[in-house]
Amino acid sequence: EVVMTQSPVTLSVSPGERATLSCRASQGVSSNIAWYQRKPGQAPRLLIYGVSTRATGIPARFSGSGSGTEFTLTISSLQSEDFAVYYCQQYNSWFSFGGGTRVEIK
Amino acid sequence: EVQLVESGGGLEQRGGSLRLSCAASGFTFSSYAMSWVRQVPGKGLEGVAIIGASGGTTDYADSVKGRFTISRDNSKNILYLQMNSLRAEDRAIYYCAKPLRGLFTDAFDIWGQGTVVTVSS
Repeated sequence: EVVMTQSPVTLSVSPGERATLSCRASQGVSSNIAWYQRKPGQAPRLLIYGVSTRATGIPARFSGSGSGTEFTLTISSLQSEDFAVYYCQQYNSWFSFGGGTRVEIK
Repeated sequence: EVQLVESGGGLEQRGGSLRLSCAASGFTFSSYAMSWVRQVPGKGLEGVAIIGASGGTTDYADSVKGRFTISRDNSKNILYLQMNSLRAEDRAIYYCAKPLRGLFTDAFDIWGQGTVVTVSS
């Protein structure tokens, strides 16, 4: 089983600032990494797949990068609607999710 | 509009059974693998089961193998999850999820609203 570890657990950021979220896989997952945004009471929303490809309708302030076992989601300038929980997922071997990073208002 | 609507959740006793359903619309259901994902309250997301587009291939998380069965009816556009020998740790919100490109393992671009399963002792 591929274990996904996200850090930090909570990230406090001011609106307009940059947020950098990390995700580490316990083994190589090629480019099979996705990122999701989750708000209370809502289903996860796909942001990024294939490490760096934005899903349909996702603003350009969201970007993904990384390779091998280390991956990053960057939100270049946080908007009020971006405060949420973010999950990474690997789909290289079965599929598994990280524990999530909560992005909160500083 | 692409949509997934789950149903069938509820309160069941430990050792009991439930069958979840997920009605799909707005896409060619028979061309896509489908998955069930769950979230235990206060915890992260966990993959539960995957089924191939034709239904001939399935895979399960170790935690549910031998107790849960995923199936589909492509004539009705419905995905199922038969849950037997329920345990307290199966208590969660269960989501069906559509893979972005229809692959067996893939990112998920469409999720249902979830159905709540509660297991009592």
